[in-house]
Amino acid sequence: DQQVKQNSPSLSVQEGRISILNCDYTNSMFDYFLWYKKYPAEGPTFLISISSIKDKNEDGRFTVFLNKSAKHLSLHIVPSQPGDSAVYFCAAERGNKLVFGAGTILRVKS
Amino acid sequence: NAGVTQTPKFRILKIGQSMTLQCAQDMNHNYMYWYRQDPGMGLKLIYYSVGAGITDKGEVPNGYNVSRSTTEDFPLRLELAAPSQTSVYFCASSYPTPSSYNSPLHFGNGTRLTVT
Repeated sequence: DQQVKQNSPSLSVQEGRISILNCDYTNSMFDYFLWYKKYPAEGPTFLISISSIKDKNEDGRFTVFLNKSAKHLSLHIVPSQPGDSAVYFCAAERGNKLVFGAGTILRVKS
Repeated sequence: NAGVTQTPKFRILKIGQSMTLQCAQDMNHNYMYWYRQDPGMGLKLIYYSVGAGITDKGEVPNGYNVSRSTTEDFPLRLELAAPSQTSVYFCASSYPTPSSYNSPLHFGNGTRLTVT
């Protein structure tokens, strides 16, 4: 029972262009949604979050959009940089616990 | 400031052996978590703790045990290793909950475990 789904295993983008990573969820009771970034041989690191009462949150080059009616969120990275190449995990929180998606590998080509 | 430290980084176990994965954090976080990550899958929660002396099961607790005698340490015990426990294990901590904008989960760098 996958409550959080990232349907694109990988994404390749040219440097300077926009990267859009998508995430769908099934449980309407989630309170917060987060994106984590992971480099090889390291643990995930927090990137950006959004409360379920908002529809947009920005932090520099990163923007997260939440569409509650569609149970969908997306992460936009503009402009994409080679250092953004990593695995991106979407996560949803209720109570003290997070549910993670399977991740999307982003490759930014220079 | 070390953050979350996991040891060992790698380990190979034979079926039926036991081991303890160590996790320590120096941020005085109340909440600590153990996740496993299998190829092509998201991180699955094994056990978590909201403070010293308090632990609870996550999504996939079978085959594991934990204890939380101090705020800093949260070891994960495998008693009878099985091939299905081959995975990368991540420990994480947060204060107070993992969704707070200024207090997300802090992860260690993981322990890669192979059971053969």
